[in-house]
Amino acid sequence: QKEVEQNSGPLSVPEGAIASLNCTYSDRGSQSFFWYRQYSGKSPELIMSIYSNGDKEDGRFTAQLNKASQYVSLLIRDSQPSDSATYLCAVNGGSSASKIIFGSGTRLSIRP
Amino acid sequence: DAGVIQSPRHEVTEMGQEVTLRCKPISGHNSLFWYRQTMMRGLELLIYFNNNVPIDDSGMPEDRFSAKMPNASFSTLKIQPSEPRDSAVYFCASSLREGEKLFFGSGTQLSVL
Repeated sequence: QKEVEQNSGPLSVPEGAIASLNCTYSDRGSQSFFWYRQYSGKSPELIMSIYSNGDKEDGRFTAQLNKASQYVSLLIRDSQPSDSATYLCAVNGGSSASKIIFGSGTRLSIRP
Repeated sequence: DAGVIQSPRHEVTEMGQEVTLRCKPISGHNSLFWYRQTMMRGLELLIYFNNNVPIDDSGMPEDRFSAKMPNASFSTLKIQPSEPRDSAVYFCASSLREGEKLFFGSGTQLSVL
């Protein structure tokens, strides 16, 4: 089993709709969870971090964490063409707070 | 702050040659990470350092790969000898403290012919 799993996509969403990205992780001791966005040919950049169960909102982005289900998600409201990118879920290893493991990423495409 | 600085941006070399990738983390950050990204395997953690000390190198593919961090402002990833399957984008990233968000460099696109 992979440590961090994501659906590779591509996920196609119409402009203005809500995009929902999902991620599961295997280490129950994980404490830190991150969503990164990566445009083609660029490096990953942080969108959201979340550390406790529940929702965390930042502008059009909402991260959701459920530690019991080992599940973290990212919602993007009012999707824009500029949101088209690969979204990477990252989780720290429970046995080592420093070790940050990434999922393989979900390609998101916003269609006009 | 200039962010995480990696060099070179692109490297093209022939199989069997030695390759050295360089990274300067953000000043004051005490954790440094080396990742490799390919289409097939995604973003893989190779090794990370805390306070210049290697903590986990279990992701290093084999003995051909080595990494050092002689001081808080510099790290190298060396591949000797290089092979075509090493072709990938190599990212360096740093974080202020353990478990906190990572800041990535621009990456080194390595092509081994």
